Amino acid sequence: AQSVAQPEDQVNVAEGNPLTVKCTYSVSGNPYLFWYVQYPNRGLQFLLKYITGDNLVKGSYGFEAEFNKSQTSFHLKKPSALVSDSALYFCAVRDIRSGNTPLVFGKGTRLSVIA
Amino acid sequence: NAGVTQTPKFQVLKTGQSMTLQCAQDMNHEYMSWYRQDPGMGLRLIHYSVGAGITDQGEVPNGYNVSRSTTEDFPLRLLSAAPSQTSVYFCASSRRQTLAKNIQYFGAGTRLSVL
Repeated sequence: AQSVAQPEDQVNVAEGNPLTVKCTYSVSGNPYLFWYVQYPNRGLQFLLKYITGDNLVKGSYGFEAEFNKSQTSFHLKKPSALVSDSALYFCAVRDIRSGNTPLVFGKGTRLSVIA
Repeated sequence: NAGVTQTPKFQVLKTGQSMTLQCAQDMNHEYMSWYRQDPGMGLRLIHYSVGAGITDQGEVPNGYNVSRSTTEDFPLRLLSAAPSQTSVYFCASSRRQTLAKNIQYFGAGTRLSVL
């Protein structure tokens, strides 16, 4: 079975400070990992994904995420937070052998960047 | 390019009424799915389809029906609305080929209240 955990419901960061949104996963085999962002009253938008290769993945809006297989983690990071980064962030996973099995999402972490 | 279009954006129903949430995509995506989003629960999969004529149940299918007669459309039917179905509903689509690593594209959502 596939599962994702986002241990923090809410993360507060001052503008200009680095931010981290945590995600851990569980799959039987190797994972494909995704981050999506949801702005107020909008659908989810794709940020970045890890498929294979370099453990550090760079995505949209200056975000990056680091795949750590030994810790089964895929934390989202940004060196300098902006107020406009305030949104709901979802981590998602799929086993690479899963065929048509749907993507499994975490419960989301609300990021609040304070000016 | 419209992407994934959901209608209506808002709906209020009385308990026991039926209705259909519409979802259409113009990207020729084979894979489509319906999620509901509730506070503290994240995204939960209701039903999904890997192509026209093929549907399958997700995590929370009870009280909902789907059909997929065309590649473009994937309507979600509430047969007899209940207050527990008050939620925000999202439709998503992606290419089926190499589904496991494909990005999902989301609609803007339908906010449903059942009184």
